[in-house]
Amino acid sequence: GAVVSQHPSRVICKSGTSVKIECRSLDFQATTMFWYRQFPKQSLMLMATSNEGSKATYEQGVEKDKFLINHASLTLSTLTVTSAHPEDSSFYICSARVSGLPEKLFFGSGTQLSVL
Amino acid sequence: DAKTTQPNSMESNEEEPVHLPCNHSTISGTDYIHWYRQLPSQGPEYVIHGLTSNVNNRMASLAIAEDRKSSTLILHRATLRDAAVYYCILRALNTGFQKLVFGTGTRLLVSP
Repeated sequence: GAVVSQHPSRVICKSGTSVKIECRSLDFQATTMFWYRQFPKQSLMLMATSNEGSKATYEQGVEKDKFLINHASLTLSTLTVTSAHPEDSSFYICSARVSGLPEKLFFGSGTQLSVL
Repeated sequence: DAKTTQPNSMESNEEEPVHLPCNHSTISGTDYIHWYRQLPSQGPEYVIHGLTSNVNNRMASLAIAEDRKSSTLILHRATLRDAAVYYCILRALNTGFQKLVFGTGTRLLVSP
């Protein structure tokens, strides 16, 4: 099956710094990628939809200036958490749609962000 | 997307079948029923999906009620590795399956 690689798997940073998370589709082209966040014991919350070559569409309540999403190529999308604060500590997960196979999404293994 | 209702948790013994129910009484004609599962500390993975007919794959079976207002994910022989949160999600074909919105899911506990 299609593989989505997410990096890093874990990151610890100081409050006020920015953190970039990468999401790559390894063996397919992903025209659309999705970013989720998940707090402990809770379900996944969709943050934004990222289409290659265009601006991301953010879900209501998600600050677009704080969570910068770039989808510059068909195999790479990045999420940058700017000026991170402890409340941004969460599990961030990306997923990708395969062109021609819209019914399945393939997920990365997630990034655990801890902001001190 | 229409809402689904699942039990918060279920328990099973290893090597026994597991039936995970999902209610979706407001399902529309263009909604597909999808199941994903999330193992601890990992991203979700696709399990199965269907529209009207029952579906089988190497991971599980999906039984869909005749009126489509409910469905059941069947794991034929649970293993310890099947311990996960299982999400039943409706996705509309007429929106091109644009996004996947997760509910609370069912946490499956598997005992040796």
